[in-house]
Amino acid sequence: QVQLQESGPGLVKPSETLSLSCSVSGDSMTSYYWNWVRQPPGKGLEWIGYISYSGNTKYSPSLKSRVTISLDTSKKHFSLRLDSLTAADTAVYYCARWGTGFDYWGQGTLVSVSS
Amino acid sequence: DIQLTQSPSFLSASVGDRVTITCRASQGISSYLAWYQQKPGRAPKLLIYAASTLQSGVPSRFSGSGSGTEFTLTISSLQPEDFATYYCQLLDGYFTFGGGTTVDIK
Repeated sequence: QVQLQESGPGLVKPSETLSLSCSVSGDSMTSYYWNWVRQPPGKGLEWIGYISYSGNTKYSPSLKSRVTISLDTSKKHFSLRLDSLTAADTAVYYCARWGTGFDYWGQGTLVSVSS
Repeated sequence: DIQLTQSPSFLSASVGDRVTITCRASQGISSYLAWYQQKPGRAPKLLIYAASTLQSGVPSRFSGSGSGTEFTLTISSLQPEDFATYYCQLLDGYFTFGGGTTVDIK
């Protein structure tokens, strides 16, 4: 059974950088695209971006200038870096695998941006 | 960029009702669409991909249809565990989500 697990800080200060990691277990990371999705409290889902097994990335146009997604297949995890945080970045952050659709998700981690 | 618009945003229904949710794309997307169910405090769950293919393990009362710019998710007989929020998602290019439809108990 494929499992994804997010990890990272729950609280970050404005203007700082958020770094999250997603560990993958139960299957190989090959042949899939690995995604980050976020959800502000009480609001809908927002796709952030993905990285392929080969290292190709694609980011949401609205976040592209601040986002970096990287991959470490040997350690079976991928990471999100989001720069220049504001309160609007407060959200639950999910990692997810794109197989047929987004077929496996992590449980999500709440990140609050506050001084 | 392609936008996905869901309607309605909210609907009240009773157990046993047939429920239909619509997702409209701002331009043609062939069948590159998925549907998800999300319950409070939980990650979304994939229900349908490629517009009409049921994900393994999903009950057959869920079905999807459409292509191009108009898509529907239908729940043939609403069950208590189906009260949740439903999202459509583009599965090509940018993986945009629709705004969501909350199905509540009447």
